[in-house]
Amino acid sequence: RKEVEQDPGPFNVPEGATVAFNCTYSNSASQSFFWYRQDCRKEPKLLMSVYSSGNEDGRFTAQLNRASQYISLLIRDSKLSDSATYLCVVNIPGGFKTIFGAGTRLFVKA
Amino acid sequence: DTAVSQTPKYLVTQMGNDKSIKCEQNLGHDTMYWYKQDSKKFLKIMFSYNNKELIINETVPNRFSPKSPDKAHLNLHINSLELGDSAVYFCASSQDMGLPFPYEQYFGPGTRLTVT
Repeated sequence: RKEVEQDPGPFNVPEGATVAFNCTYSNSASQSFFWYRQDCRKEPKLLMSVYSSGNEDGRFTAQLNRASQYISLLIRDSKLSDSATYLCVVNIPGGFKTIFGAGTRLFVKA
Repeated sequence: DTAVSQTPKYLVTQMGNDKSIKCEQNLGHDTMYWYKQDSKKFLKIMFSYNNKELIINETVPNRFSPKSPDKAHLNLHINSLELGDSAVYFCASSQDMGLPFPYEQYFGPGTRLTVT
């Protein structure tokens, strides 16, 4: 099982739709989780951290399910500008390392 | 006032050559990283330095040698380039290593390396 796995997509959704991505991780001791966004031919940028209690930032909601070892990202009222690749990031305890998932591609169409 | 900068942005070279990529951050961060993103878009850590000290050294061929002259710079030298080295190389920095919770990483714009 890979350390971090994401559905590569692509997810094709119309503007205004709600879309959700999941990311599973293999190390049950992982404590820190993030979602990064990467636009085409650009660098990754932090979208949001994922807290145990779940957190929301505008149209974006991140959830953590420790029992099933996955995190999720929900995007409401999708905009054209949300089109990007969303990278799940998980820390590896004891190794000072964070692992990036391969990303989920999202296309939002008018 | 770019936070993390890399040079060059594009690098096209032939097999067997030696090349360097430079990275600088002006954020005052203690930790810097090199990542490789291959054609499948998989972003994989190569090296990490904290206060000029090597912390992470993944299974990377020893043709790759990082060098951190000071906290603000982390350069990557590659010897005897091979076709499989073609990828986008991203430099990143973070405030600290963040134990046990990693800090946000700020990425440079990437260096697109093509080996012919």
